[in-house]
Parts: sequence; structure tokens; C-alpha cells
Amino acid sequence: GQNIDQPTEMTATEGAIVQINCTYQTSGFNGLFWYQQHAGEAPTFLSYNVLDGLEEKGRFSSFLSRSKGYSYLLLKELQMKDSASYLCVGGDYKLSFGAGTTVTVRA
Amino acid sequence: DTEVTQTPKHLVMGMTNKKSLKCEQHMGHRAMYWYKQKAKKPPELMFVYSYEKLSINESVPSRFSPECPNSSLLNLHLHALQPEDSALYLCASSPVLATNEKLFFGSGTQLSVL
Repeated sequence: GQNIDQPTEMTATEGAIVQINCTYQTSGFNGLFWYQQHAGEAPTFLSYNVLDGLEEKGRFSSFLSRSKGYSYLLLKELQMKDSASYLCVGGDYKLSFGAGTTVTVRA
Repeated sequence: DTEVTQTPKHLVMGMTNKKSLKCEQHMGHRAMYWYKQKAKKPPELMFVYSYEKLSINESVPSRFSPECPNSSLLNLHLHALQPEDSALYLCASSPVLATNEKLFFGSGTQLSVL
């Protein structure tokens, strides 16, 4: 499996930028996902990186460095609806979830 | 149809009850999963079915019994649960069982055991 580490909480202001970092063990790595989960709801897919570099999708971007075992999710132009938990997910033979980063967006 | 449908949305049961959670998808996915999620924690994998066969059982207590009657349906039978089993139970599916396939989650069943 993968040991996946990410910060527990982050707070930012509406309109600002937040970067959520994620580190993982590189052995047997097979790509890295980011999911968003609002309280009491199901996780929804945000991004998947398998190659090094930055993938941009509107206000959300995800970066991967395979050699460093490092990824980040960048949330730009934050909106109140972005307040949620963000899960870093990856694995070798099965997917492991990071503990999740709770992002709180303040007006 | 890109949905995973779970029923019921909420369930309250006593420790002597028997109940079942149901999950359905019509995306042609051949891998289906059960996850358990406690508040403010990430989902924990319980079971994985691949092509209707149980592929992964994460040492889940026998009071949880999964069943995959066909490629579209996944059930979780519950019997003699404990209060600590109260959690959000999430079903998910993916095209095949592989760690480079994204998971499609249902909206979950919020279970309370009294």
C-alpha cells in the first residue's frame, strides 16, 4: 500500500489561491487522484496524474513529481462552495486514501 | 447514465436487526466496492468485487456480508451490528479493478446502530 500524507486543515479567503500538498511512498506507484468531498456527500473525482507535470482544469490544477513522491492540488479564485475535504488517493495494487484536507473558505 | 445509486439513504437499526444496503450501477463497470467512512476520516475499503467475484476483503468482521448478484448490483448484508459500526457506507464502481481507474461513488447510506 501507500502511506499518503496531506495537511489536516487549511483556511483561505474567497477569491484567493490555496495549494494542498500531498506526499506518498513511490514504490509501486500507479498514478495519483484528487477527490473532493462535501460534508455528508460522496467523494467526486477532480483529477488524475500519472505523468510528471501540471494538469489544469479550469480553476483547479494538479501537479505531480513521481521522483519526489509529491503532488499538489491548486485551487484558484476560491468560492464559498469550494469549502470541502480534498482527498489525495493513490496506490500500487489497491487505492489508499490520504486523511483528507479540510478547506474552509471565508468571505 | 453515470450514476451509482445507493439505497436507503439513511438507516437506523438495533443491534439484533438484520438489514441490507443496496447499490446499483448501469455503466457496465466490472469492479464494485464497499467503503466505510467515519466522520472527519477518509473512506476505508471493506470489500471489492471484480467480475462478480470477491477479490478483496479487508478483514471485515463477519457481521458484514457482501453479495454481488450480478454485474450491476452490490449488496451489503448487516447482522448483529455494534454501535461503533455507525458510519457512512459508500458504494463505488470502476470500469475494471485497477489503481489507475477512477472511482464513481454513490451518495452513501448513513447508518446508525442503536
